[in-house]
Amino acid sequence: EAGVAQSPRYKIIEKRQSVAFWCNPISGHATLYWYQQILGQGPKLLIQFQNNGVVDDSQLPKDRFSAERLKGVDSTLKIQPAKLEDSAVYLCASSLATETGELFFGEGSRLTVL
Amino acid sequence: AQSVTQLDSHVSVSEGTPVLLRCNYSSSYSPSLFWYVQHPNKGLQLLLKYTSAATLVKGINGFEAEFKKSETSFHLTKPSAHMSDAAEYFCVAQSFPGTASKLTFGTGTRLQVTL
Repeated sequence: EAGVAQSPRYKIIEKRQSVAFWCNPISGHATLYWYQQILGQGPKLLIQFQNNGVVDDSQLPKDRFSAERLKGVDSTLKIQPAKLEDSAVYLCASSLATETGELFFGEGSRLTVL
Repeated sequence: AQSVTQLDSHVSVSEGTPVLLRCNYSSSYSPSLFWYVQHPNKGLQLLLKYTSAATLVKGINGFEAEFKKSETSFHLTKPSAHMSDAAEYFCVAQSFPGTASKLTFGTGTRLQVTL
């Protein structure tokens, strides 16, 4: 079974530029999550989708971050404009259902903002 | 509010000796609890979970954890460390503020295994 796919694995940009990350969850998983993991910290939930609807985006900085999951399968997370403090690993995860705590994570996209 | 505290940011053990990674949680009820492992440059992987059945939970790679309600703890143990166990470990608690679950991650414990 294919795992959660993310791209790109690494991205370096300058502040005020934009960046987009892509995630393809495990086939059949209805719930998709984007987490931000800053060095030395645990993952922080940015947004949670159930199919193509948003379940929780309370911690998403909506002035600069956006995410979509238009067809209920793959998803894109965008940052525009980027700030230095956005340097982090962006983890995508998926699960069969929203009530489970069993998440399957991708390898992450490491963003460095200079 | 729910919180998770991992008491050690870094633990170092010798190969073949026991591993103990400590986790305490704060919750108004008995939550579901999980341990995830993250190897360098990899995504997180579920090690084990507690969901109100047996208090001693066995996971993959010889790890186990015991839920102790009186101590609000969910410590992760392994009898004998292997070099491949070197990784970051996260304790996670699950709550249901609405219809969807919410996961609260601890700050992580980095396990170093030496020869």
